[in-house]
Amino acid sequence: KNQVEQSPQSLIILEGKNCTLQCNYTVSPFSNLRWYKQDTGRGPVSLTIMTFSENTKSNGRYTATLDADTKQSSLHITASQLSDSASYICVVSGIYKAAGNKLTFGGGTRVLVKP
Amino acid sequence: SQTIHQWPATLVQPVGSPLSLECTVEGTSNPNLYWYRQAAGRGLQLLFYSVGIGQISSEVPQNLSASRPQDRQFILSSKKLLLSDSGFYLCAWSPRTVKRSDEQFFGPGTRLTVL
Repeated sequence: KNQVEQSPQSLIILEGKNCTLQCNYTVSPFSNLRWYKQDTGRGPVSLTIMTFSENTKSNGRYTATLDADTKQSSLHITASQLSDSASYICVVSGIYKAAGNKLTFGGGTRVLVKP
Repeated sequence: SQTIHQWPATLVQPVGSPLSLECTVEGTSNPNLYWYRQAAGRGLQLLFYSVGIGQISSEVPQNLSASRPQDRQFILSSKKLLLSDSGFYLCAWSPRTVKRSDEQFFGPGTRLTVL
């Protein structure tokens, strides 16, 4: 069964500090992995996408890494800001699922940045 | 550019009442369309997806139904709401092409509270 597990479930960090979120998956065969940011009460917005051959991808202060061999990804937030408070969702796409239903979602990590 | 709309933004309904949530997409044609539910503090659960007008695939047995009367319109309905239907409902679209069908863009969501 395809699964995506994220850790920690939640974390609190001080403004200006760094943090790293983890994502482990069992989806196979693998197509790509996305990290989404979801502000409270809003729809998720894509931060990064990584394919099998990519090890790292940055989007401003967000840096995602992928180890396709161990099926692990991480999202690193540098110099956190209050606006980084949100849920971060790891989403993995498989290759051979039906065209309309390729994605497996993680449960998300809720990040709270405190001043 | 493409935009996705959902309404209403919030809804409070009594148990046993009917439900109709609407989602429309602008700026693209022949999209794949999706309905997700997100319970408080939980991950996204795919409810329905559609690859064309009148074509609906259901992922989870429940008292909800979906319809796609027009190419860019997706409706989520229920004849009688249950308490367990409370949650945050997200509509999403993706390009029809197989290569990009896992690139999903989410709407702003509808917060449903069933009392």
